[in-house]
Amino acid sequence: NAGVTQTPKFQVLKTGQSMTLQCAQDMNHEYMSWYRQDPGMGLRLIHYSVGAGITDQGEVPNGYNVSRSTTEDFPLRLLSAAPSQTSVYFCASSSRTSGDYTGELFFGEGSRLTVL
Amino acid sequence: DAKTTQPTSMDCAEGRAANLPCNHSTISGNEYVYWYRQIHSQGPQYIIHGLKNNETNEMASLIITEDRKSSTLILPHATLRDTAVYYCIVRVGGTGGFKTIFGAGTRLFVKA
Repeated sequence: NAGVTQTPKFQVLKTGQSMTLQCAQDMNHEYMSWYRQDPGMGLRLIHYSVGAGITDQGEVPNGYNVSRSTTEDFPLRLLSAAPSQTSVYFCASSSRTSGDYTGELFFGEGSRLTVL
Repeated sequence: DAKTTQPTSMDCAEGRAANLPCNHSTISGNEYVYWYRQIHSQGPQYIIHGLKNNETNEMASLIITEDRKSSTLILPHATLRDTAVYYCIVRVGGTGGFKTIFGAGTRLFVKA
């Protein structure tokens, strides 16, 4: 049971390049989300999904796209990278319902992105 | 979801109890209080949550005031490894972490 797995862990991009951050979970969680964390700051919600085929915007969605074709995967796409997108990106997942449901979010280890 | 207010930073001596306050004066009746912490640059880790009653688990205790407008997270015997940023969050329960918004949190420094 790997939990939430993010790849890559580190990435350097040039301005204008596109890329996809991958997130996969093996806990059969319905809910998945992406956050970004700038240095010395808290986490800000980018996009989230409450199930396959359903996504919605968070606090800072501009410049990012998501899709949820399977329960397991929730990739985050940067369409045209900008230096302002230099950040650490965290993916999280949670079970929607369970017998002793706590609403606990499980986080990945993060993907550190630098845009030059 | 209700907003929360936390002190920016706090200090605590190793071995002493760390009491981290959180104000959530606009909390609704069906909103839970959750606490997470983030050690260094790792992903946040769930600590505890509660609705009305005080809660305790192996990591911490959560004290919620009777009017539910504030709460305190208690780490009974803080260690150096408890140095982290602690986030207090309020949101409707039973929705799988639906649109969970994090604030700036409290940076706790545990000193030897």
